Amino acid sequence: DAGVIQSPRHEVTEMGQEVTLRCKPISGHNSLFWYRQTMMRGLELLIYFNNNVPIDDSGMPEDRFSAKMPNASFSTLKIQPSEPRDSAVYFCASSLYRGRFYEQYFGPGTRLTVT
Amino acid sequence: KNEVEQSPQNLTAQEGEFITINCSYSVGISALHWLQQHPGGGIVSLFMLSSGKKKHGRLIATINIQEKHSSLHITASHPRDSAVYICAVRWEGSQGNLIFGKGTKLSVKP
Repeated sequence: DAGVIQSPRHEVTEMGQEVTLRCKPISGHNSLFWYRQTMMRGLELLIYFNNNVPIDDSGMPEDRFSAKMPNASFSTLKIQPSEPRDSAVYFCASSLYRGRFYEQYFGPGTRLTVT
Repeated sequence: KNEVEQSPQNLTAQEGEFITINCSYSVGISALHWLQQHPGGGIVSLFMLSSGKKKHGRLIATINIQEKHSSLHITASHPRDSAVYICAVRWEGSQGNLIFGKGTKLSVKP
């Protein structure tokens, strides 16, 4: 298996622009997580899907952030409009859930820079 | 407040040394994860445990549920073990989200 795939790996954009990050989870996994990592706050959960349904989005910073999972093999995280404080590394991870959670597998991350 | 505390924040060791990284948390958990993040940024899950001890190669993870404490040990450390080690917990009754410690930056000198 190719593991969790994220694109793009790097994104540089100007403040106010829309940014879309993409994630393809490991085939067969039914849970997907979006995380953000910054120097100040470390790793934080943004949103978590189970069977394509958002379960916990309490970590989504504000209305500028939205996430979708239209099917089991694809998810997007969108920031509109982007701001310099959104600069971070965004990780997607997937896992199997069958009454309990199994290990999470992380993608390589997308390094976002908003100027 | 639900917190995950790691110690030390930074650790420098000589090749071959035995290394211990500690993690403590404040409330009941259903699982604890140890993650490794290399300088390139990729994150790898090392262990997921809810009781006892797990071993994988030179890595050993232990957890004491009563004391709310876990340790990650590295035997015969090697420069390639240099990375940030992150402890993360899933609280009892949570929907699935992990709460992360700040990480321990390990540097192993040859």
